[in-house]
Amino acid sequence: KQEVTQIPAALSVPEGENLVLNCSFTDSAIYNLQWFRQDPGKGLTSLLLIQSSQREQTSGRLNASLDKSSGRSTLYIAASQPGDSATYLCAVADSNYQLIWGAGTKLIIKP
Amino acid sequence: GAVVSQHPSRVICKSGTSVKIECRSLDFQATTMFWYRQFPKQSLMLMATSNEGSKATYEQGVEKDKFLINHASLTLSTLTVTSAHPEDSSFYICSARDGTDNYGYTFGSGTRLTVV
Repeated sequence: KQEVTQIPAALSVPEGENLVLNCSFTDSAIYNLQWFRQDPGKGLTSLLLIQSSQREQTSGRLNASLDKSSGRSTLYIAASQPGDSATYLCAVADSNYQLIWGAGTKLIIKP
Repeated sequence: GAVVSQHPSRVICKSGTSVKIECRSLDFQATTMFWYRQFPKQSLMLMATSNEGSKATYEQGVEKDKFLINHASLTLSTLTVTSAHPEDSSFYICSARDGTDNYGYTFGSGTRLTVV
């Protein structure tokens, strides 16, 4: 059974720092991995989608990597801003295209 | 890009009443939609998979008679919480997979249900 773990559960850093969020999964047989952002009481915003054949995706200050063999993905945020404060979730899609979710990392960027 | 519209965004209802939540794919056809529930400080939990024209597939522990799902068209799925109780208060989010978008998922904005 696929399990997705996100470390750390919470992270607080000063504005301007670069940071890395981690996501690990137990079964390497995934179709894709997706990183989402969730603001309090709000829905989800898809940030980056990495297909199983890809190793990384970039969007603006965000870069996500995928290493299927080791069951790991990282989300790199460059030059963090207070507006980046949110909960970041990763999810892997299995062979039925169903998503298995991590518990999320709550990120706080201090001005 | 693909857009999923979810309504209402917030609803407060009395115990014992039923609440319907709508999820529409605005610019694509979604043969499959997913319904999630999220309790405070917890991750999303898949409740059921909604398939157009057929019965929904419910996850273990989710009462299908309580959470009625209807997927009558390729652009609309509804979740009805019947005989709601305070413990049903939660954040409900729908999602659809756009089969032309590399199997990525698009999410609705969510519905905050409060049962009083």
